[in-house]
Order: sequence, then C-alpha cells, then structure tokens
Amino acid sequence: AQSVAQPEDQVKVAEGNPLTVKCTYSVSGNPYLFWYVQYPNRGLQFLLKYITGDNLVKGSYGFEAEFNKSQTSFHLKKPSALVSDSALYFCAVRDGGSSASKIIFGSGTRLSIRP
Amino acid sequence: ETGVTQSPTHLIKTRGQQVTLRCSSQSGHNTVSWYQQALGQGPQFIFQYYREEENGRGNFPPRFSGLQFPNYSSELNVNALELDDSALYLCASSSPGGSQETQYFGPGTRLLVL
Repeated sequence: AQSVAQPEDQVKVAEGNPLTVKCTYSVSGNPYLFWYVQYPNRGLQFLLKYITGDNLVKGSYGFEAEFNKSQTSFHLKKPSALVSDSALYFCAVRDGGSSASKIIFGSGTRLSIRP
Repeated sequence: ETGVTQSPTHLIKTRGQQVTLRCSSQSGHNTVSWYQQALGQGPQFIFQYYREEENGRGNFPPRFSGLQFPNYSSELNVNALELDDSALYLCASSSPGGSQETQYFGPGTRLLVL
C-alpha cells in the first residue's frame, strides 16, 4: 500500500535562510512524487514532480526537491526563503507500477517564514 | 490559476440531506479526480472519472457518487449527509497520460453539515 509521511507539522525559518520540508514515502512500485502548496482558503497549487531521471527536480517559485531512493525521501528545499512562501505544503505519491489512479497525500507541513 | 473551477464555493446543509458539487476541468483535460480534505488533514482520494466512467475509488461509502459529462465537467453527489462530511471538497483535472500526469486542482467547495 502507498503511504506518505511528513514528520514535521510546522517548520519555521527566517527570511533569507534556506528551508527544507521533509517527506518520506512507501510504494511497492516505482514512485511518482509530487509537492503541492496550499494558501489559506485556496485549492492546491502544483510545485514540482519526480517521475524519472535526474534526482534533483526544480519547480515553481525557486523550489526544488531531491529524490533519494535509498532513504525513500523526497524533501522540498529552497535556498533562500521568502515571507510569501508561508503556506501549507503537501507531499504526495502515486505508485507508478500500479494501475490505481489515486494519489496519496501526506498530512501537510505548515511553513512559517518570519521577516 | 489552473483553469479548474468549482461551484458553489461554500455550502451549508443539515444532516440527512443530499448535496451536489460541480467541477469544470481545465481545457484539454478529460480526467477528473475528487478529494475530501478535512480540517487539518491532507486531501483524501474519493474517486476518479475518465471518459465518463469511474476509474478508481478510495475508501468512501457508496453514498458518495459521481458523474462525468461529455464536456468532461463532473459532479460529486453525497447522499444522507453526516456531520463528518464537513470538509473542503477538491476536484483536480489531468490529461490522459497515465499516472505520470500532474493533477491540477480547483479552489474547492467548503461544505458544512449541521
């Protein structure tokens, strides 16, 4: 069965500092991994995805994520945080080896960037 | 903006009633997925529709049902509403490229069941 864990409910970082939001996953087949961001009273906005290829994936708004197969992780990173990055971030996984269509989301990590 | 629209934005119902939520897909997308996001949680997959047929379902009871129309818009119907059905309901559209395809989400419908 697929599962995603986001071990931190909240991450707090000062503006200008690097940020990391952690995600680990479990699937039986090849993992297709996604990061989404949710602003208050809004739907989910796609940031980036890993399907295959280079382990370092670059996405929107300067975010990137590194796929680590041995650690089954897909941490979200940004070199220099902005106050506007404050939001709720979700990691998600789909089993690429399955015909199942569903995406499994983590419980979310609230990112707070202080000025 | 993703081009995925949902209506209504907010809805209040009472326990036992029925509700219909609507979603219009992004242009060129013929696959629609529905999710339930309870307060403080991540979205939970309800079901997916592709070419007007259900194409996968999560752990939701049969009183959650859906439709997809020839123009690829979709409806989520919930019968016999329960208090725990209060949540943000999100639809997401994607193009038919299989599991690699990105799902693009609408703004959601917030349902409150009293």
